[in-house]
Amino acid sequence: LAKTTQPISMDSYEGQEVNITCSHNNIATNDYITWYQQFPSQGPRFIIQGYKTKVTNEVASLFIPADRKSSTLSLPRVSLSDTAVYYCLLNNNDMRFGAGTRLTVKP
Amino acid sequence: DTEVTQTPKHLVMGMTNKKSLKCEQHMGHRAMYWYKQKAKKPPELMFVYSYEKLSINESVPSRFSPECPNSSLLNLHLHALQPEDSALYLCASSQRTTGSSGHEQYFGPGTRLTVT
Repeated sequence: LAKTTQPISMDSYEGQEVNITCSHNNIATNDYITWYQQFPSQGPRFIIQGYKTKVTNEVASLFIPADRKSSTLSLPRVSLSDTAVYYCLLNNNDMRFGAGTRLTVKP
Repeated sequence: DTEVTQTPKHLVMGMTNKKSLKCEQHMGHRAMYWYKQKAKKPPELMFVYSYEKLSINESVPSRFSPECPNSSLLNLHLHALQPEDSALYLCASSQRTTGSSGHEQYFGPGTRLTVT
């Protein structure tokens, strides 16, 4: 069974910042938190990964509190093309996907 | 090169056929995966190979038979499938499955399988 919980769906508008939170109460010491984006009929695409505190790349930021029991993916200024399903995974010895969050960006 | 390739893109097979799905990566990754994904569902892990050895089999029916001929190739042999096996089959690779870093996965585009 997947060890993560996310909201099933979220709506946003173009230009807004979107924050998707993932709960992982039973995260293990050696687990990293990884986020993927998936468009219909395509394979998931790696977005960002972190272990603690904050990680930022050209696409997104990932915020992880000190207890690591949750994490938040932040997408700045979303566009219509960011409409997709977003998954968080704990990947050290566990590559199982949870249900994911279906993000819909509206004009 | 961060690409994982899968062939064929589409496959239609009868329940008595035998076919194979192929996956290839040239990133030097030592872990490779098969996932099955039904419409509007998350990918379901099927098999994990680590250093060319099968390390995880998620209780997949024996009509699915994985094979890892070398560190760059992963096959999924199919025989006597059922219509409910119709799905998108995804291959992925990562540097390793364990260790001190997170080992993000790189996915191929998938093979759309239809069993008639």
